[in-house]
Amino acid sequence: LAKTTQPISMDSYEGQEVNITCSHNNIATNDYITWYQQFPSQGPRFIIQGYKTKVTNEVASLFIPADRKSSTLSLPRVSLSDTAVYYCLVGDTSNQGGKLIFGQGTELSVKP
Amino acid sequence: DSGVTQTPKHLITATGQRVTLRCSPRSGDLSVYWYQQSLDQGLQFLIQYYNGEERAKGNILERFSAQQFPDLHSELNLSSLELGDSALYFCASSRGMAGGRETQYFGPGTRLLVL
Repeated sequence: LAKTTQPISMDSYEGQEVNITCSHNNIATNDYITWYQQFPSQGPRFIIQGYKTKVTNEVASLFIPADRKSSTLSLPRVSLSDTAVYYCLVGDTSNQGGKLIFGQGTELSVKP
Repeated sequence: DSGVTQTPKHLITATGQRVTLRCSPRSGDLSVYWYQQSLDQGLQFLIQYYNGEERAKGNILERFSAQQFPDLHSELNLSSLELGDSALYFCASSRGMAGGRETQYFGPGTRLLVL
């Protein structure tokens, strides 16, 4: 099973780039990596997903090295509204019996 | 608004009791996932159903069970409740069966307090 590890918390300032890394040493061949954002009293919200190399969308980039044992979520130019908890999710259930493993979450605090 | 609805929003009950949590997926989504979120365990995957059939199982206790009905709504049944079952329970849905490869849309959660 892929055990995922993230930093518990990070601080940043408005306008800076923030990089949050998730370690998943035992990632399986079929597993994908997805990042979610969660605000207090709300359900997690999808940010970005990837399998290998680099993926970019309108809000973030995801970097996955060739060995796939880690992944880095990059948030460009954060604002106060990006203060939230960020989770990586590793897994795949395309084959029956697959698993989904969340990291413990990284609490990002963006200061003015 | 993700389009996923969960009822009730809050639930307070006593140890030993049984409760049922309900989830309606987004229109068109065939998979429903259940997660438990607690302070000490974080977000834990419990179980996934796809089009009425159990698809994947995570750290779901034997005291817990789930099902997905023909109209695709799902229920999570928690029985013989213990204090440690107090948590936020989230339901999520996705279009297909490949959890992990698809975007999951999460509901607002049900907060369960066992006294």
